[in-house]
Amino acid sequence: AQSVTQPDIHITVSEGASLELRCNYSYGATPYLFWYVQSPGQGLQLLLKYFSGDTLVQGIKGFEAEFKRSQSSFNLRKPSVHWSDAAEYFCAVEGSGGGADGLTFGKGTHLIIQP
Amino acid sequence: DTGVSQDPRHKITKRGQNVTFRCDPISEHNRLYWYRQTLGQGPEFLTYFQNEAQLEKSRLLSDRFSAERPKGSFSTLEIQRTEQGDSAMYLCASSPLAGGYNEQFFGPGTRLTVL
Repeated sequence: AQSVTQPDIHITVSEGASLELRCNYSYGATPYLFWYVQSPGQGLQLLLKYFSGDTLVQGIKGFEAEFKRSQSSFNLRKPSVHWSDAAEYFCAVEGSGGGADGLTFGKGTHLIIQP
Repeated sequence: DTGVSQDPRHKITKRGQNVTFRCDPISEHNRLYWYRQTLGQGPEFLTYFQNEAQLEKSRLLSDRFSAERPKGSFSTLEIQRTEQGDSAMYLCASSPLAGGYNEQFFGPGTRLTVL
């Protein structure tokens, strides 16, 4: 069974600073990987996804992520954060059931932006 | 296209009562998922429909939980004899059946409080 680990429960970053959120996954084959963001009272919004091909993927809101098979990682990055980026971020992996397994999520990283 | 909608957004009930939640997916999305999210955790996959067929239900938390999608459009999730431990956010997601990958679009969720 697949699993996702987000080692950082909370991260505090100053506005304008760069950001990296860590995600490690466990899965036996090439995974489908996702990053979602959840703001208070909002549903989950997809930031970006990796299925195959170029290991550096671009997403919405200026986010990018890099798939590193050797490290089983899919870290999310942003060069300069904005106060509106404060939210909960979830990394997720899809299993091999063609969708029938649903997504497996990490526990999330709470991002705090300091002025 | 108005996205995935869920009703109600909030539900407060007393222990032992039955509750039912509704999810309306994006039009023509064949796949529909239910997840549960407890405080401080990522969403946990519960069940999956492809059209009206429930293809995965072994992850439903107990036999008190059941889901239907009778005409392949909207879906309902019912919890019978609710317990305080059922208090959580219940999320619905839908996706098209396409291309070997599975981008899920999430609704805003129904927050259940069991007193």
